[in-house]
Amino acid sequence: AQSVTQPDIHITVSEGASLELRCNYSYGATPYLFWYVQSPGQGLQLLLKYFSGDTLVQGIKGFEAEFKRSQSSFNLRKPSVHWSDAAEYFCAVGSGNTGKLIFGQGTTLQVKP
Amino acid sequence: DARVTQTPRHKVTEMGQEVTMRCQPILGHNTVFWYRQTMMQGLELLAYFRNRAPLDDSGMPKDRFSAEMPDATLATLKIQPSEPRDSAVYFCAASDTTDTQYFGPGTRLTVL
Repeated sequence: AQSVTQPDIHITVSEGASLELRCNYSYGATPYLFWYVQSPGQGLQLLLKYFSGDTLVQGIKGFEAEFKRSQSSFNLRKPSVHWSDAAEYFCAVGSGNTGKLIFGQGTTLQVKP
Repeated sequence: DARVTQTPRHKVTEMGQEVTMRCQPILGHNTVFWYRQTMMQGLELLAYFRNRAPLDDSGMPKDRFSAEMPDATLATLKIQPSEPRDSAVYFCAASDTTDTQYFGPGTRLTVL
């Protein structure tokens, strides 16, 4: 069965520091992979997605993610975090068949001034 | 740019009352999802439709919840009767053929 694990429930980084949020998935075939961000009181906004091709994917707001099949990972990165990046981040995997996405439990990012 | 809209954004009601939440998906995005988000359970899929036909509602309490899509521009989620444990944020999402889901802003429901 498909599953997504975000090992870090909560992460705190200083403004200007680099960021990496981890995501591991379990899926038999090539998955569709997504990262979403949810700011307080808002819906989920798509940051980036991976379907095929180049394993390094660029997204909005300066984020990128790298698909590593050998590690079943799709980690999200940003070289320099801004205070406005404080939010909850969700990794998700889809099969391309059912249309459903399986979401991880989310990682809450806190940014210190 | 095209967005998923939801109404109302906030709803406070008393236990036992009927609650109806509405969603207008992005035109042409033919798969529509209803999620519920709480602190305890996180994001839960309640039901979803494709081309207005229900595909899966196994995540939904059948005795009090119902979801419909009367036309391509409207999806509804009803709770009757509502209970305090239904207090949550309810999200609608619509996806295109690439499975990319676009979320609405949510309806924050409080049942007293």
